[in-house]
Amino acid sequence: EAGVAQSPRYKIIEKRQSVAFWCNPISGHATLYWYQQILGQGPKLLIQFQNNGVVDDSQLPKDRFSAERLKGVDSTLKIQPAKLEDSAVYLCASSLTAGVRTGELFFGEGSRLTVL
Amino acid sequence: AQSVTQLDSQVPVFEEAPVELRCNYSSSVSVYLFWYVQYPNQGLQLLLKYLSGSTLVKGINGFEAEFNKSQTSFHLRKPSVHISDTAEYFCAVSEDTGGFKTIFGAGTRLFVKA
Repeated sequence: EAGVAQSPRYKIIEKRQSVAFWCNPISGHATLYWYQQILGQGPKLLIQFQNNGVVDDSQLPKDRFSAERLKGVDSTLKIQPAKLEDSAVYLCASSLTAGVRTGELFFGEGSRLTVL
Repeated sequence: AQSVTQLDSQVPVFEEAPVELRCNYSSSVSVYLFWYVQYPNQGLQLLLKYLSGSTLVKGINGFEAEFNKSQTSFHLRKPSVHISDTAEYFCAVSEDTGGFKTIFGAGTRLFVKA
């Protein structure tokens, strides 16, 4: 079974530029998450999708971050314009339908962003 | 809202010694509890989970954890560690409110020395 795919693995940009990350979850997983992991910290939930609807985006800085999950499968996270403090690893995870009480998240390898 | 506190940011230990990584949580509703491990330059993978039933949960690689509801803790233990256990360990809690929002602790870096 293929795992969660993310790209690119690494990205270096200058502040005020834009960047986009892509995620393809495990086939059949209805729930998709984007987490931000700053060096030395635990993952922080940015946004959670159930199919193509948003369940929680309370921690997403909506003035610069946006995310979409068209057709309820893959997803894109965009940052525009980037700030120095956005340097982090962006982790995508997926899980079976939230109503299935396993709660286990399956993570991709992450996209490491460096903002100069 | 739920929160997770990992009491140790770093735990150095000698190979074959026992280890305990501590985790406390707070929540006003029923929770599910998890431990994830992250090896360098890799994503997180599940070590073990508590959903219901027995409070002692066994996971992969010889790890186990005990859910203590009265102390709101979910400490991770291993009786004898290996060099290969060197990694970052994250405790996570998910509230049973239907949305399955999962919150992570700040992590504990386990460093196993020869």
